[in-house]
Amino acid sequence: DVKVTQSSRYLVKRTGEKVFLECVQDMDHENMFWYRQDPGLGLRLIYFSYDVKMKEKGDIPEGYSVSREKKERFSLILESASTNQTSMYLCASRRQGSWPQHFGDGTRLSIL
Amino acid sequence: DAKTTQPNSMESNEEEPVHLPCNHSTISGTDYIHWYRQLPSQGPEYVIHGLTSNVNNRMASLAIAEDRKSSTLILHRATLRDAAVYYCILRFTGTASKLTFGTGTRLQVTL
Repeated sequence: DVKVTQSSRYLVKRTGEKVFLECVQDMDHENMFWYRQDPGLGLRLIYFSYDVKMKEKGDIPEGYSVSREKKERFSLILESASTNQTSMYLCASRRQGSWPQHFGDGTRLSIL
Repeated sequence: DAKTTQPNSMESNEEEPVHLPCNHSTISGTDYIHWYRQLPSQGPEYVIHGLTSNVNNRMASLAIAEDRKSSTLILHRATLRDAAVYYCILRFTGTASKLTFGTGTRLQVTL
């Protein structure tokens, strides 16, 4: 079974902090994705990566950056956390040109 | 991206079939129809997908209208473990394609 692992289920940080959310997949997938999920808004795509060192902006990239130095790991970075970035963050991966897409169980991030 | 419309919520009795509808009147000929579900406190989970023909797998069946403007996810015997939010998503063909989620249908299953 494909395993997408997010480093933390719950995280509490302070406004202005630099925050790193980590995601690791064990199936050698080329494509990886970061979403955030908010009540009433569904899942919204923040950034995605088609392969190592590649990244593309999704629908809501403002305030975020990403890093993909190794194929199995995709990091989401909040450069200076703000309270409106309090949300559930979901990571996903899939093999290039193949479906389905597999999701992690999410990180619930609170910015105080 | 083509949009989908789903009811906000539905209820079902346990061990009865459930038909979850999805309208996608602006679907293009190359859009695949994907269904995912999200159980409480978990990430979305793949259920099924199809293009034109009806599809079956161990989890569910997908019935696609002849004009492809609507589809129905069928759970043959709902259980309490099927209580989740079900998302109907259109995905265009291509290596650069990605999933755009709406707000889905919250399915409640009762005894």
